[in-house]
Amino acid sequence: GAVVSQHPSWVICKSGTSVKIECRSLDFQATTMFWYRQFPKQSLMLMATSNEGSKATYEQGVEKDKFLINHASLTLSTLTVTSAHPEDSSFYICSVPGLAGGTSLSYEQYFGPGTRLTVT
Amino acid sequence: EDKVVQSPLSLVVHEGDTVTLNCSYEVTNFRSLLWYKQEKKAPTFLFMLTSSGIEKKSGRLSSILDKKELFSILNITATQTGDSAIYLCAGKETSGSRLTFGEGTQLTVNP
Repeated sequence: GAVVSQHPSWVICKSGTSVKIECRSLDFQATTMFWYRQFPKQSLMLMATSNEGSKATYEQGVEKDKFLINHASLTLSTLTVTSAHPEDSSFYICSVPGLAGGTSLSYEQYFGPGTRLTVT
Repeated sequence: EDKVVQSPLSLVVHEGDTVTLNCSYEVTNFRSLLWYKQEKKAPTFLFMLTSSGIEKKSGRLSSILDKKELFSILNITATQTGDSAIYLCAGKETSGSRLTFGEGTQLTVNP
């Protein structure tokens, strides 16, 4: 399966600043990557689908001007949280869809290790 | 809107017990149901189920899908403290790769 890394693994920033999170697919070319957010004791909520070479697709209720996504290459997607506020503090996880079981009809998602953002 | 519901939300058992986690789904153009285990960090893949009635097994974990009743169960036998985690199920549509996750079941296995 695909190996996915995220950087940084954790970050603390002051309210009003911007934070960039990188998601890299280390051994797999990904035209699509997904960004999730997970608040404590809650499930993963899909924020947006990152598309290489085109604009990201945002889920309802996610502000595209606040959460900037850039899919610069087939191995890198970045999420920038602009003008961060304490309510943006969360666990941000990216994932890369890949192939499981060796068939074109079955595939899962490979998750990065996540980035814990704390906004003070 | 797609929806995945898990139950129970929280479960505490003793080592050696057997547990059954439930997942029901309403996913437009449903394709697969996936189970993940999440400990401290990101989820790790357990199973992907596409066909009804075919049990998938990995060690003490097994899972099965019922596409008629729109649910799946994850069984863990002879639980160990290392099984303590959040177990997430997710539904996948036919088109694209996006997943809709349930709320998760927080399993705690006490010694």
